[in-house]
Amino acid sequence: QVTLKEAGPALVKPTQTLTLTCTFSGFSLTSGVCLSWIRQPPGKAPEWLARIDWDADEYYSKSLKTRLTISKDSSKNQVVFTMTNMDPGDTATYYCAREIMVSGKFDSWGPGVLVAVSS
Amino acid sequence: DVQMTQSPSSLSASVGDKVTITCQASQHISKALNWYQQKPGKSPKLLIHDASTLEAGVPSRFSGGGSGTDFVLTIDSLQPEDIARYYCQQYDDIPLPTFGGGTRVEIK
Repeated sequence: QVTLKEAGPALVKPTQTLTLTCTFSGFSLTSGVCLSWIRQPPGKAPEWLARIDWDADEYYSKSLKTRLTISKDSSKNQVVFTMTNMDPGDTATYYCAREIMVSGKFDSWGPGVLVAVSS
Repeated sequence: DVQMTQSPSSLSASVGDKVTITCQASQHISKALNWYQQKPGKSPKLLIHDASTLEAGVPSRFSGGGSGTDFVLTIDSLQPEDIARYYCQQYDDIPLPTFGGGTRVEIK
């Protein structure tokens, strides 16, 4: 059974760095299987942020690239995501999702963590 | 970047009605299009991949079609449990997937 779960703070202050951890089970990051982070502001559409693949290659949203970092710890089945210089406009639910590259599909998602940015 | 435009942004239909949601890509994406259902307070759920392939376990009243720039998601007979937001997502522009703005489906 494939499961993913995000962990991280519910509240961060402006200019702080957000760090989220995705712990997954039931699969491995093997060829063709990646782990992505996606966010969704309240009432808006999802927005893809970052991906790490089986070779630890990293991919980032063009508009947010300078603020994002993704890494993996294969021994723990975890992927860590950081976003620097947080702003109230970054308030959203942050999801990690398994991505199957052959169909570009996000076929399993974590429950998400709502992160508010406020002083 | 490939932009995805969904219409309508919301719709209201009766139980048993046929519902159609459209998604238009800003450039040709072949069949690199997936559909998701998101119920309130829940994560998105994959319904259809590669424009028309139903994900395992998804009811057969859902279907997808189209290619190139124009795509459609159809619910043949709307059920109360189908109340949700629906999103399209393109993956032709790898490594940068993008989502449509969403369609909210309500019961009349």
